[in-house]
Amino acid sequence: DGGITQSPKYLFRKEGQNVTLSCEQNLNHDAMYWYRQDPGQGLRLIYYSQIVNDFQKGDIAEGYSVSREKKESFPLTVTSAQKNPTAFYLCATGDRYNYGYTFGSGTRLTVV
Amino acid sequence: GQQVMQIPQYQHVQEGEDFTTYCNSSTTLSNIQWYKQRPGGHPVFLIQLVKSGEVKKQKRLTFQFGEAKKNSSLHITATQTTDVGTYFCAGPPSGTYKYIFGTGTRLKVLA
Repeated sequence: DGGITQSPKYLFRKEGQNVTLSCEQNLNHDAMYWYRQDPGQGLRLIYYSQIVNDFQKGDIAEGYSVSREKKESFPLTVTSAQKNPTAFYLCATGDRYNYGYTFGSGTRLTVV
Repeated sequence: GQQVMQIPQYQHVQEGEDFTTYCNSSTTLSNIQWYKQRPGGHPVFLIQLVKSGEVKKQKRLTFQFGEAKKNSSLHITATQTTDVGTYFCAGPPSGTYKYIFGTGTRLKVLA
């Protein structure tokens, strides 16, 4: 959506499994972000990357990992160390002027 | 830590009534952005304000950035059912580029 593709839209994970959420963009934006949203809650920053091969922890990075090998891609891995992973995960990009983030359509992750 | 609170958390209005949500930061912000998230959807950028005391309008929506750059408001005149959703503010504390999102205000409009 708007040049950002998140997949899958829905994901079910068994306890103890690692899962990877995909985020691809064709907006040529340098910055990419991962947010977590719980029902009726705001957005909490997991990880962000301002440039290829560099990323920083956000406010709730424990139990998550990321990579930024290409400008277009910023995958998020939810590891088994994340104790409560059921949530709505949103990927966003920002241009150099930070004039508004563009969000993907999100991935709903459920632990079964 | 740095926090951005929004009030009210929820608001139900009759169609045609006005609506206002307030955004309050514990620290001075470089700018403030507003987003709208429809039910089941993702946040969509609405507007950015940068200057102290700045006011911007988009049709029925009026956005204001406080003089101290620590608070902001969004006012909707004569709400419509299409206004339903959650409205978030977001801003980076001065000297940083990391945006902190507000807690959001969920608006329901009764026809």
